[in-house]
Amino acid sequence: AQTVTQSQPEMSVQEAETVTLSCTYDTSENNYYLFWYKQPPSRQMILVIRQEAYKQQNATENRFSVNFQKAAKSFSLKISDSQLGDTAMYFCAFMKIMYSGGGADGLTFGKGTHLIIQP
Amino acid sequence: GAGVSQTPSNKVTEKGKYVELRCDPISGHTALYWYRQSLGQGPEFLIYFQGTGAADDSGLPNDRFFAVRPEGSVSTLKIQRTERGDSAVYLCASSLWQGANAFFGQGTRLTVV
Repeated sequence: AQTVTQSQPEMSVQEAETVTLSCTYDTSENNYYLFWYKQPPSRQMILVIRQEAYKQQNATENRFSVNFQKAAKSFSLKISDSQLGDTAMYFCAFMKIMYSGGGADGLTFGKGTHLIIQP
Repeated sequence: GAGVSQTPSNKVTEKGKYVELRCDPISGHTALYWYRQSLGQGPEFLIYFQGTGAADDSGLPNDRFFAVRPEGSVSTLKIQRTERGDSAVYLCASSLWQGANAFFGQGTRLTVV
């Protein structure tokens, strides 16, 4: 079984600052996907960024980037030039890659980090 | 529709009653997932459908929980003899295939009183 750990229950930064959210995971799998999801008060989970474990290059999406350290099983999210609209819960998630004939699985989530962007 | 739709948005029921929660995925998405999110926690996997079949139901907590997807599109999560511990937000997600980006609905907040 996989586990995902987010050690920061809450973080608060000033608008325009850079913030890094940490995530570690434990798995015996070699091929998997990692995700960061954002959940505002509306409850809807919104995909922020995705990383395939077989890719060495860190994923980036505009102001969002990750630092993926496969050997250390670490997957942190960096938000640059933070904006008030970034205020939300952020969840790190893991999904193992299933191959034809294998079983199936969903996302394993961490407990989340509540990010507050102060004006 | 443009996104994943879940109905109802909120549901209050009495302990012991039966409830059905509906999920309408994005058209063409073959993979559909149900998750349960308790207060202050991350979502927990319940069940995964590939097409009409439940490919993995290992997350269902007990036999009071059941889900169907008879035509490979809309799915219904059914909870019998509800208990107060079932109170949570139930999230549905769909994706083109297992491993593709999953799109979530806004969830159904179930409250058992």
